Amino acid sequence: TQLLEQSPQFLSIQEGENLTVYCNSSSVFSSLQWYRQEPGEGPVLLVTVVTGGEVKKLKRLTFQFGDARKDSSLHITAAQPGDTGLYLCAGENSSASKIIFGSGTRLSIRP
Amino acid sequence: NAGVMQNPRHLVRRRGQEARLRCSPMKGHSHVYWYRQLPEEGLKFMVYLQKENIIDESGMPKERFSAEFPKEGPSILRIQQVVRGDSAAYFCASQESMGQNTEAFFGQGTRLTVV
Repeated sequence: TQLLEQSPQFLSIQEGENLTVYCNSSSVFSSLQWYRQEPGEGPVLLVTVVTGGEVKKLKRLTFQFGDARKDSSLHITAAQPGDTGLYLCAGENSSASKIIFGSGTRLSIRP
Repeated sequence: NAGVMQNPRHLVRRRGQEARLRCSPMKGHSHVYWYRQLPEEGLKFMVYLQKENIIDESGMPKERFSAEFPKEGPSILRIQQVVRGDSAAYFCASQESMGQNTEAFFGQGTRLTVV
C-alpha cells in the first residue's frame, strides 16, 4: 500500500514566521502535487513537481521534490493570515491505479 | 473552460433516504475520483472511474454506496438508505488521463447532511 505521510498534522504560528511542511513516502512517485483547501471550498492545485531535486517557487512558497522522488516539502516564508488552510500533497505513480493523498497539514496563521 | 462542477453544493437527507451526488468533469477529462472529507480531516479516497468503467473502488463501502461514470453525462455517487455517519463533504476531481503526470482538479464539493 502506498502511503503519503504529512507532518506536522497541525501548525499554528504567528504572522511573519517561516514554516516547512513535509510529505514523505516509501514509494517513488512520477509526480507530486500540492493543494491548498480553504474552509467550505475544494482543494486548489498549487504546484506539480516532476523531476527529482526540482524546486519551484510560487511567491513566498517554495516547493521541493526529493532527489529520490519519495518526498517533498513546502516552505512558506513570512507567513500571512491568508496562508491559513489545509495543505495536501498528492502523488501519482504510473503503476498505481489512483492519485494518493496525504492526510494534510492544517495551518493557522495568527495575526 | 469550465472547471469541475459538483451539484448540489448542499444536500439534506433524512435517515433512510437516497442521496445522489453529481460531478461533471472538466472538458476533455475522462477520469474521475471521488473523495470524502469529515470536518477537520483530510481527503479519503473512495472510488476512481473512467468513462463506463470502475477502475478502483477499494475506498468505497461495499453496501449502500455505488458510483458510475456513463459515456454521456456526469459521474454519479449514490448513497442508499443514508445514515447520520454519511454526513460529510464529498469531493470529486477530474483528470485528463493517468500516468502522464497530468494534474487533477477538484470541484467545490457537496456537503451532505443526514438528519
